[in-house]
Amino acid sequence: EPEVTQTPSHQVTQMGQEVILRCVPISNHLYFYWYRQILGQKVEFLVSFYNNEISEKSEIFDDQFSVERPDGSNFTLKIRSTKLEDSAMYFCASSERTATYGYTFGSGTRLTVV
Amino acid sequence: GDSVTQMEGPVTLSEEAFLTINCTYTATGYPSLFWYVQYPGEGLQLLLKATKADDKGSNKGFEATYRKETTSFHLEKGSVQVSDSAVYFCALPPLIQGAQKLVFGQGTRLTINP
Repeated sequence: EPEVTQTPSHQVTQMGQEVILRCVPISNHLYFYWYRQILGQKVEFLVSFYNNEISEKSEIFDDQFSVERPDGSNFTLKIRSTKLEDSAMYFCASSERTATYGYTFGSGTRLTVV
Repeated sequence: GDSVTQMEGPVTLSEEAFLTINCTYTATGYPSLFWYVQYPGEGLQLLLKATKADDKGSNKGFEATYRKETTSFHLEKGSVQVSDSAVYFCALPPLIQGAQKLVFGQGTRLTINP
């Protein structure tokens, strides 16, 4: 069964450093998403991406976050200057059609900011 | 706005017990409804879904019926196994044209003891 692949599985970074989280969505999917889950808390929407642009973003997704699909297969989330509160599990997801049909999540990247 | 409320966890049961995890939603229309499961150390997997009122979604022995009159989508399983230990999330896709965000409940952690 097709999978969404995320790398790395765990990243530790110093506060103030830039990090890039990588995702390879399912190849025929058109919609891409990032969510995060702070330990023990809700799964929170960050951003959706379609047709090479952001289609929706939450208030969490401020200027320190950006997304990119640099080469037609990867989908990245960049955090420019990490803060301690950015420590969370970050999930990438993709869907062939709109969110109404549900989507496929990756296994996540655990980001620890120290 | 649209929202999902799940029963508080954690839930601890013995093997072969009957499981119910409650989920109710608030939405302006009649959305599809999903249950996602997160096994330890893994990402979110779509467990089952229902796309219209009175639909029953089922998978791996789990069932949930979309009840419009009570705005509920409770997850049930007749006889749980240790391998069902996971966090379960009820989720609501958007109804607004062009919106992409899934709204998740807070998650219910289920532990099954042998």
